[in-house]
Amino acid sequence: EAEVAQSPRYKITEKSQAVAFWCDPISGHATLYWYRQILGQGPELLVQFQDESVVDDSQLPKDRFSAERLKGVDSTLKIQPAELGDSAMYLCASSLVRRGREDTEAFFGQGTRLTVV
Amino acid sequence: GENVEQHPSTLSVQEGDSAVIKCTYSDSASNYFPWYKQELGKGPQLIIDIRSNVGEKKDQRIAVTLNKTAKHFSLHITETQPEDSAVYFCAASNNNYGQNFVFGPGTRLSVLP
Repeated sequence: EAEVAQSPRYKITEKSQAVAFWCDPISGHATLYWYRQILGQGPELLVQFQDESVVDDSQLPKDRFSAERLKGVDSTLKIQPAELGDSAMYLCASSLVRRGREDTEAFFGQGTRLTVV
Repeated sequence: GENVEQHPSTLSVQEGDSAVIKCTYSDSASNYFPWYKQELGKGPQLIIDIRSNVGEKKDQRIAVTLNKTAKHFSLHITETQPEDSAVYFCAASNNNYGQNFVFGPGTRLSVLP
């Protein structure tokens, strides 16, 4: 069964350091999402891609976070510099959907647990 | 923007009993409502979903109902088993705007043997 792949699974970094997460969506999925999940809360959208284009990054702290999906396939989320408050689970999800279509199911990866010390 | 509320935050049931989790949403334009199950240390797993043109959907022991007028939807799990213990999240989205999911805060379900 196809899955969304994320790496690393766990990351510990010191504050002010740079950290990067990688996501490989299910093959053929046009839409890719990065969510942040703080312990005990629901996921919150950071950025959404349609193919290689950003369609929503309104909640992405752009002073320190960046995301790219250069070839419209895999994606990288970067934090520089990391802050203590960035400790969370970073989840990637993908979906077949293109605007207006009904193939709307989104599938999540296992996430990257980030701890900033 | 969309806001999703979810109740209860925790729920304990005896094995074999039913569990019901309720969500409300604020944006009447939302038209897709998935439910996810998240086990400790793992990503959310889609378990069932419903679209706004349907009032109810069932998959074995799991069912979801949607009331568009009241803007609420519910997850029903019958004959609960210990392996149903997890955190459950509801979400809402508007497919016309590219499927940005807004999640509820989650319900921790414990099924007691």
